[in-house]
Amino acid sequence: EDQVTQSPEALRLQEGESSSLNCSYTVSGLRGLFWYRQDPGKGPEFLFTLYSAGEEKEKERLKATLTKKESFLHITAPKPEDSATYLCAVQGFSYDKVIFGPGTSLSVIP
Amino acid sequence: DVKVTQSSRYLVKRTGEKVFLECVQDMDHENMFWYRQDPGLGLRLIYFSYDVKMKEKGDIPEGYSVSREKKERFSLILESASTNQTSMYLCASSPPGISYNEQFFGPGTRLTVL
Repeated sequence: EDQVTQSPEALRLQEGESSSLNCSYTVSGLRGLFWYRQDPGKGPEFLFTLYSAGEEKEKERLKATLTKKESFLHITAPKPEDSATYLCAVQGFSYDKVIFGPGTSLSVIP
Repeated sequence: DVKVTQSSRYLVKRTGEKVFLECVQDMDHENMFWYRQDPGLGLRLIYFSYDVKMKEKGDIPEGYSVSREKKERFSLILESASTNQTSMYLCASSPPGISYNEQFFGPGTRLTVL
């Protein structure tokens, strides 16, 4: 069964303390892996799409990487405004919908 | 600025009531989606639509129906609301094609069924 897990469930960082969020997936043929950011009381906001192992994408302090089994969202020198829930999602070739993981709640303390 | 809007941010209904959640997008997108989001469970797909008058069941369609009479509007209907349908409901849209790529989400409707 295709599924997505994320770890840790919650992460608390000091401002400037770099870290990584993990997204592990099981899918029969990956069409795409997506990262979204969700602020409290709002809908998710798209960050990145990764298509194949070895691919990397960057946006400001965020860098997403992809292997055949997992993706990492690296956060370099985070700021309080990076506090949010980060969602990972995958789409496989065998179906035409996206499966979301439960998310990682990130808090960056000044 | 592209936008997906949902008719209500907060809604309180009674058990057994028929509930309509409306979603409108201004990006001329073919694909539209309804999800519910619950703590620890993530986003779960209820229904999606590729085009006007088209609809496909997602992972949890029981107790829900949808309507897409116009390209820009996708409605979610709870035929007889129950307390286990208390949740955050999120609508999304995306450009055409089987590879959905980026989905644009609305702000969500927090529905409470008493």
